Amino acid sequence: QKEVEQNSGPLSVPEGAIASLNCTYSDRGSQSFFWYRQYSGKSPELIMSIYSNGDKEDGRFTAQLNKASQYVSLLIRDSQPSDSATYLCAGYTGGGNKLTFGTGTQLKVEL
Amino acid sequence: DAMVIQNPRYQVTQFGKPVTLSCSQTLNHNVMYWYQQKSSQAPKLLFHYYDKDFNNEADTPDNFQSRRPNTSFCFLDIRSPGLGDTAMYLCATRRTGDSLVLTEAFFGQGTRLTVV
Repeated sequence: QKEVEQNSGPLSVPEGAIASLNCTYSDRGSQSFFWYRQYSGKSPELIMSIYSNGDKEDGRFTAQLNKASQYVSLLIRDSQPSDSATYLCAGYTGGGNKLTFGTGTQLKVEL
Repeated sequence: DAMVIQNPRYQVTQFGKPVTLSCSQTLNHNVMYWYQQKSSQAPKLLFHYYDKDFNNEADTPDNFQSRRPNTSFCFLDIRSPGLGDTAMYLCATRRTGDSLVLTEAFFGQGTRLTVV
């Protein structure tokens, strides 16, 4: 079982719609989770961090964490073509400083 | 201003010819990571430093070495690159604090290495 898992996609949504990205993790001791956006050929860019159960909103982005279900999600409202990228879910695993990434979900926002 | 800087941005090296990639940071972060990312794959952790303490992932090939001479700089040495080492190499940094919360890591621009 992979430590952090995501559906690879691609996920296609029309412009203006809500994009929903999901992630599960296996290490029940993991506390901190992150969503990074990665454009093709570029390095990952942090867009959201979440540390406690519930929702965290920042502009058009909402991260959700459910520790009981070991589930993290990212909602992007009013999706724009510029949101088209790969979204990487990451968390610290193994009780230490190891930051582990999922394989990423490719999002395509269509005009 | 870039705070985690990787050099070079692009590197082409011959099969078996040693290569060194560098990472510098102005954030005074005490944790530094090296990741390898192949096309359409997740970043894969190679090793990380917690201050001066070196932590090697179990599946990191012996061909890969790292040095951290001071807080600001970290190097990735590939002693005898193979064709399979063609990838993007990413450096990231993080600051630990008094809180038990493990906070985010910040990435450099990456070095795209091609082995021919």
